[in-house]
Amino acid sequence: GAGVSQTPSNKVTEKGKYVELRCDPISGHTALYWYRQSLGQGPEFLIYFQGTGAADDSGLPNDRFFAVRPEGSVSTLKIQRTERGDSAVYLCASSASGNSIQPQHFGDGTRLSIL
Amino acid sequence: AQKITQTQPGMFVQEKEAVTLDCTYDTSDPSYGLFWYKQPSSGEMIFLIYQGSYDQQNATEGRYSLNFQKARKSANLVISASQLGDSAMYFCAMREGGGSEKLVFGKGTKLTVNP
Repeated sequence: GAGVSQTPSNKVTEKGKYVELRCDPISGHTALYWYRQSLGQGPEFLIYFQGTGAADDSGLPNDRFFAVRPEGSVSTLKIQRTERGDSAVYLCASSASGNSIQPQHFGDGTRLSIL
Repeated sequence: AQKITQTQPGMFVQEKEAVTLDCTYDTSDPSYGLFWYKQPSSGEMIFLIYQGSYDQQNATEGRYSLNFQKARKSANLVISASQLGDSAMYFCAMREGGGSEKLVFGKGTKLTVNP
């Protein structure tokens, strides 16, 4: 079956530009997560959606970062006024809801490079 | 303070031998879950194994087993009969209880399997 799909796989843009990263979770998964992975590090949590609502956005680094999930399926991570420090791999994951032992299944990530 | 500590930046093992990857964690929550993920050079995060804090037995999944020592707060991953395809980064992660769904990752261990 289809896994978590992330587009684009690579994104190169200039400092100051706006970017959108898309995540299409596994069908039927109500929980969706965004993480950011810098080179040589483990993923760091950004935000978690349960259905359409952001249940935990404590990992968003500042107000330049925003994410939506309007219909409870596809999610978009939006970054305004990008900075070189935003360069990283952005990972999306999804899991079945209602049971905390459910593993999070990750997409292949979007590699974002800010020039 | 780091919540997940992986003290081995790199490990080497001969094909067909067993290897243990270390993970210690820090939490005051009695309810938590521990996860191991594999990240090959291609970048995808692959779920391997899960251990719940209340589980009485160590988790096993094929060639993967988890040596869970709750009093020591350690959750080491044991890979038996190593294969060349096991060469990858391995991440330990924790999800605490109390409604938090985010995973906190360690910095990872790079495993190289030699022929």
